[in-house]
This record gives sequence, structure tokens and C-alpha cells, in this order.
Amino acid sequence: DAGVIQSPRHEVTEMGQEVTLRCKPISGHDYLFWYRQTMMRGLELLIYFNNNVPIDDSGMPEDRFSAKMPNASFSTLKIQPSEPRDSAVYFCASSRNRGSGNQPQHFGDGTRLSIL
Amino acid sequence: AQTVTQSQPEMSVQEAETVTLSCTYDTSESDYYLFWYKQPPSRQMILVIRQEAYKQQNATENRFSVNFQKAAKSFSLKISDSQLGDAAMYFCASPTYGGSQGNLIFGKGTKLSVKP
Repeated sequence: DAGVIQSPRHEVTEMGQEVTLRCKPISGHDYLFWYRQTMMRGLELLIYFNNNVPIDDSGMPEDRFSAKMPNASFSTLKIQPSEPRDSAVYFCASSRNRGSGNQPQHFGDGTRLSIL
Repeated sequence: AQTVTQSQPEMSVQEAETVTLSCTYDTSESDYYLFWYKQPPSRQMILVIRQEAYKQQNATENRFSVNFQKAAKSFSLKISDSQLGDAAMYFCASPTYGGSQGNLIFGKGTKLSVKP
């Protein structure tokens, strides 16, 4: 089975530009998570979806961040306008909840975002 | 807020020796899973091992094993016969309150170095 697929792998853009990160979860997984990883703050959960519906977006830092999941096989994380402090590695992960407890999250390779 | 604590920011081990990475958590769930993830320099997040809380037997995956102390909410990772390829960041993860929702909290990580 293909794993979680993220694109782009690297993104370098100037401050103020719109950035869109993309994620394709593992087929059959009904949970999708967006994380941000920095040296200072570690791995932070930004938002997660269940069956394409956002469940908890309390980790989204500001209104500049938005995430969508229009269908079970695709999600986007958008930053508009971007700022240098948004520079980080952004991970997408998916999991399957069988209702009997937590299932492991499978991560994509991440997008390294650099805002100049 | 629930937390996962990894008290060792960095650890070092000699090749072929054994090392133990510590983790404590504070979930209030009664039935849950705990996870250890490995992040090598390639930045992939790789599931190493998981433990089901209702099982008393410690999980084992080849050279990786856990010491799970449910009452103490402790979940340490033991790596036996350490190899150079084990050098990575290691993250412990536990469920948040309402863990059946599928959400996890990650510790800050332990950077493991393996000396030849």
C-alpha cells in the first residue's frame, strides 16, 4: 500500500505569499492530522479531521492558517499570508480508528517550508 | 492539559550496547495504546513499537522492547544491540483525553547518538 503522500517536499517562498501544502492519506484511513515541527516547539498538532470533517482546529496558530479536506483522499493546509515564523516542517498523518482504542498514525515525509 | 514527558533530551550509546529511553504520560483513559516513533535525519516519522495498555506483557519488536508500568504511567523504550542506524530522534506518544477520538500527544523527543 502507498503511504501518506505529501507535496511539495520543499517549499521556499517570500513573506506575504500564499502557501498550499497537500496531503493524500492512506486509502481507508478515516482520520487525517496536520502537524508542525520546529526545534523550539517540537511536534504540534494543528488540526485533525475525521471522515473529512474538522474535529479540532485549536492548534491552528492564527486565522492565516486554514485546512480543508474536500474528500477522503485529499487535504490541504493553506497559509495566507505567510510569515518567516511559519518556517517549519509540516507533516500530514493518517490513521484508522477501529473504535477499540488508538491506532498508529502513519506519517508522510513532510514538507519543509521556508519563508524568506 | 495532558502531557507526555521525555526527560532525556539527548542520549548516547556505544554500538552493540543497550540503551533505555524514558517516557511518562498522564492520560486518564483506561483502554489506550502508547507509541514510540523514530525520526532519523531523513525526517520520516517511523513507528517503532506500540503497547496496548490493557496487556500486561511488554511489547517487543526485534531489538526494541518497552517497559510499561501502567500504574506509574511510564513507558520506556529499550534498544538492544544498538546499531549506527538507530541514531535518530525518538518520540513517545500517548492519547489525549477522549483517546478514542484518535488524537495523540507527542513528547519533545530524545536525540539518540550511537558511537561506533
